[in-house]
Amino acid sequence: KAGVTQTPRYLIKTRGQQVTLSCSPISGHRSVSWYQQTPGQGLQFLFEYFSETQRNKGNFPGRFSGRQFSNSRSEMNVSTLELGDSALYLCASSPATGPEQYFGPGTRLTVT
Amino acid sequence: GDSVTQMEGPVTLSEEAFLTINCTYTATGYPSLFWYVQYPGEGLQLLLKATKADDKGSNKGFEATYRKETTSFHLEKGSVQVSDSAVYFCALSAWYGNKLVFGAGTILRVKS
Repeated sequence: KAGVTQTPRYLIKTRGQQVTLSCSPISGHRSVSWYQQTPGQGLQFLFEYFSETQRNKGNFPGRFSGRQFSNSRSEMNVSTLELGDSALYLCASSPATGPEQYFGPGTRLTVT
Repeated sequence: GDSVTQMEGPVTLSEEAFLTINCTYTATGYPSLFWYVQYPGEGLQLLLKATKADDKGSNKGFEATYRKETTSFHLEKGSVQVSDSAVYFCALSAWYGNKLVFGAGTILRVKS
């Protein structure tokens, strides 16, 4: 089975712009979660989607949003980018049979 | 709230040495526990998991036992290799949802 894929792998944006990141889960996985990884804050949970519905949300401002499509693919959007949004954004998918999550390679976002 | 504490690194070992990375957790209910590994420039790879007390997860020579009485999930390997050099994350998933809570990560460096 193909793993979790994320596009793009690298992105450079300017402060104030918005960005959309994409994630395709492992085939058959319906749950998709997003995480932010920074040197200062570590790995932090953003949100989880299951069957096109947000099921869980972390403590991030409303500038961070997401959605899931009927084929389980997911996107996250960050509006009005700030320098502090520079991070590795990781997507993970989960099977219905267990709590483990499988991660993609991440999107490295740099905000200048 | 739920939290994970793992030993600070970096941990530097010689090849074939014994590895222990300590991990303790705080959570309500009965979480599932995981170890993930991250190589430079990559996403997280699931190393092993345990879903109930006294379960032992194992993979690629690594082992960890879910100890509810000490709320611990220490990672061990009998003989490390240079290729094991990476960052190791302990994580929990609460019973109520697909949200991983991570420790800060431990850098492992193995010298030949």
